Amino acid sequence: DQQVKQNSPSLSVQEGRISILNCDYTNSMFDYFLWYKKYPAEGPTFLISISSIKDKNEDGRFTVFLNKSAKHLSLHIVPSQPGDSAVYFCAAPKDYGGSQGNLIFGKGTKLSVKP
Amino acid sequence: NAGVMQNPRHLVRRRGQEARLRCSPVKGHSHVYWYRQLPEEGLKFMVYLQKENIIDESGMPKERFSAEFPKEGPSILRIQQVVRGDSAAYFCASGDKPNTGELFFGEGSRLTVL
Repeated sequence: DQQVKQNSPSLSVQEGRISILNCDYTNSMFDYFLWYKKYPAEGPTFLISISSIKDKNEDGRFTVFLNKSAKHLSLHIVPSQPGDSAVYFCAAPKDYGGSQGNLIFGKGTKLSVKP
Repeated sequence: NAGVMQNPRHLVRRRGQEARLRCSPVKGHSHVYWYRQLPEEGLKFMVYLQKENIIDESGMPKERFSAEFPKEGPSILRIQQVVRGDSAAYFCASGDKPNTGELFFGEGSRLTVL
């Protein structure tokens, strides 16, 4: 039973355009969401997060949007750069309100940004 | 400025052997997490440890797997009598704040079971 779903295994975008990566979740108790980025043969790197009390969080070129009623979040990258090519994982802490290092990850979306 | 250090990066074992994976967290971090990534899958939580304590092992298989984080030295994930299905990338992560999912991951240890 996948509680965090990333339904697009891959996405290809032209350099300079917007990349939109999507994530759906099933558990309405989740109250915090994170995006991680992973290059091949490396560990994931934390990118950006959002609390359920917000609907948007922005950090430079990266913005995460949360739609609680639809149980959907998205990561926008504007403008996309070739160095953004990586696998992006959506995640949510299993234990709401407690220790949040037990993360439930989606399967990831591989982003390719073409020059 | 060392991040999370994992070794070995690659480990090959035959069925029935033991695998030991080591993880040194970011200096000053007292929370260590182990995750496993199977091919074409996302990362799956295995265990959360603090020094000398297992806090949450809800993701650990019931048999053959164990983890420790001693007072001195690295955290160790031990897999006894490995089987082919144990072949995966094992990632260690550390954090200094228990109530955040913002973790620092190591580069992973890739276990191949022949």
